[in-house]
Amino acid sequence: SQTIHQWPATLVQPVGSPLSLECTVEGTSNPNLYWYRQAAGRGLQLLFYSVGIGQISSEVPQNLSASRPQDRQFILSSKKLLLSDSGFYLCAWSTGNFDTQYFGPGTRLTVL
Amino acid sequence: AQKVTQAQTEISVVEKEDVTLDCVYETRDTTYYLFWYKQPPSGELVFLIRRNSFDEQNEISGRYSWNFQKSTSSFNFTITASQVVDSAVYFCAVYGGSQGNLIFGKGTKLSVKP
Repeated sequence: SQTIHQWPATLVQPVGSPLSLECTVEGTSNPNLYWYRQAAGRGLQLLFYSVGIGQISSEVPQNLSASRPQDRQFILSSKKLLLSDSGFYLCAWSTGNFDTQYFGPGTRLTVL
Repeated sequence: AQKVTQAQTEISVVEKEDVTLDCVYETRDTTYYLFWYKQPPSGELVFLIRRNSFDEQNEISGRYSWNFQKSTSSFNFTITASQVVDSAVYFCAVYGGSQGNLIFGKGTKLSVKP
C-alpha cells in the first residue's frame, strides 16, 4: 500500500530564515506530487505540482520554490521566510491528473 | 474557472442527529470529478469519496451518503446518526482545468456534541 510522509511535523522559524520541507511517497512509482498551503481560515491553496522528476509547475507566485530531485521526493523551499508564509503545508500524491489525491500529515509552520 | 461553494461555515448538532453538508460547484467542463475530504483536528485530509460527472447515482457508505444532482450542480453529503468522532472540517472539491488541479471549497466545520 502507498504511504506519504512529511517532515517536520511542526516548525517555528524567524522571519528571513530559510525553509526546507520534505515529502516522500512510498509504494508507488511516478506519482503526481502536490504542495498545498492552508492558512488560518481553512482554505486550501495549491502552490506547486509535479508530474515527474525535475518538472515543477507553480500556481501562485511567491517567495517559495519546489523541487523534485527523485521520483518520490518533493521538497518545498524558501530562501527567506515572510510572516505571511505561516500556515499548514500539505503534500499530496496521485497516480495521475484527475485521479484522487491522497494527503500527508502536514507540516505546521509558524514564522515569527 | 472552476469554483466550489460551501455556504455553511459551521454546523453544530447533537449526537445521533442527521446532518447534511451542502456543496455547489461551478465548472465549464463536461467531464469533471467531485470529491469530499474530511479534516479532523489532527490536520490530515482524509479522502471520503470521488464521483465522476457521468455517474449521478447516489452513494451510501455506512452512515455516509452523497447526493449528486447535475441539474443543480450540487454534491451534498449527509451523515446519518452523527457521532462525536464525525467532528471535523469537511471539504468539497472539483477537479478543474487541463492539468487536473483540485479546487477546494472553504470547508464546513461540523461539531457533534454528546
